[in-house]
Amino acid sequence: EVQLVESGGGLVQPGGSLRLSCAASGLTVSSNYMSWVRQAPGKGLEWVSITYSGGSTYYADSVKGRFTISRDNPKNTLHLQMNSLRAEDTAVYYCARFRLTWGEFDSWGQGTLVTVSS
Amino acid sequence: DIQMTQSPSSLSASVGDRVTITCRASQSINNYLNWYQQKPGKAPKLLIYAASSLQSGVPSRFSGSGSGTDFTLTISSLRPEDFATYSCQQSYNTPYTFGQGTKLEIK
Repeated sequence: EVQLVESGGGLVQPGGSLRLSCAASGLTVSSNYMSWVRQAPGKGLEWVSITYSGGSTYYADSVKGRFTISRDNPKNTLHLQMNSLRAEDTAVYYCARFRLTWGEFDSWGQGTLVTVSS
Repeated sequence: DIQMTQSPSSLSASVGDRVTITCRASQSINNYLNWYQQKPGKAPKLLIYAASSLQSGVPSRFSGSGSGTDFTLTISSLRPEDFATYSCQQSYNTPYTFGQGTKLEIK
């Protein structure tokens, strides 16, 4: 059974940094396409970033240049380094596996809340 | 970027009703369309992928159809546990955009 467990969320001031982690079990992060999706309070889902198994990474325009997705293969963990945080980055952040069948997110973590506020 | 537009934004229905939610893409995405169900405080759950393929373990009262730019999610006979928010997502190319969601409420 696949389990994804996010951690690292919290309250941070505008301009600050935070690093999210997603510990995986039941799947190997290095051989899967892994993604971050966020949801601002009361809003819809927003795709943030993806890392392909070959190493390519892609980002939403709203976070490009500020966020970095990476993998720690020995620890089977996905990370999201978030710098220069803004109030509009406040959201629940989910990690999810991007299944290659048709590009669906078939496994999700429970989410971690990031609040950017002074 | 491909824009995904769902309608309606909210819907009231009764147990046993048949409901249909529509998702429209701003350009053709072939069949690269997925549907998710989300309950308050919970992560999204994959229901349908490739526009019409039922994810393992999802009840057969859920179905999807469409191709190109217009897609529908149908619930044939609503059960109490189906009241939730439903979102579509295109996986044709990055950014992998979602619709704004349709909140299905009990009438």
